[in-house]
Amino acid sequence: GAGVSQSPRYKVAKRGQDVALRCDPISGHVSLFWYQQALGQGPEFLTYFQNEAQLDKSGLPSDRFFAERPEGSVSTLKIQRTQQEDSAVYLCASSLTASGNTIYFGEGSWLTVV
Amino acid sequence: AQKVTQAQTEISVVEKEDVTLDCVYETRDTTYYLFWYKQPPSGELVFLIRRNSFDEQNEISGRYSWNFQKSTSSFNFTITASQVVDSAVYFCALSPANTGNQFYFGTGTSLTVIP
Repeated sequence: GAGVSQSPRYKVAKRGQDVALRCDPISGHVSLFWYQQALGQGPEFLTYFQNEAQLDKSGLPSDRFFAERPEGSVSTLKIQRTQQEDSAVYLCASSLTASGNTIYFGEGSWLTVV
Repeated sequence: AQKVTQAQTEISVVEKEDVTLDCVYETRDTTYYLFWYKQPPSGELVFLIRRNSFDEQNEISGRYSWNFQKSTSSFNFTITASQVVDSAVYFCALSPANTGNQFYFGTGTSLTVIP
């Protein structure tokens, strides 16, 4: 596609519910990233894929967060047993390759946990 | 440690004024990349510019210009003759070459251009 596409754009989840956020990167982009952005803050790194390999997941805040990219294209970020502190915008980004390349962001998935 | 500081939280200017957004970074890496992104209310981060650590030439693109100074670890962004459409949150980011393309963002500067 022309840009990074994310769905759903908005999600309201009840505390304890599981959610899945989808990211469709720019076609041909090898690297894919997930970031979390709290209100009034800059994006914080969660995890990074190169093709289907998850090379860095150091930013995932807890074991309730899980990301996958099984075929090296579309990625899903799953949050289990959501908590109120998980409320944030989840941004997906992609780039052609690694190291120093510009990353292009989607519009984000706005998650509110009530 | 990798860190980006945007000391200006909010700035308001009147249309047609020039405005400079400050960015100071910290890194021990010798090879790194610096970026500016614009985030309008829709939420998408829009790429504006990328510089590598070996290129200190200033750059101008239309009303936008960037001043990169390694001596002061700064990468400031100036908008000339601001317009209402420039109203957004602007983020500076650092990506050291050895971190697998991980980006470190500042907390952003919210710019409001008053008509």
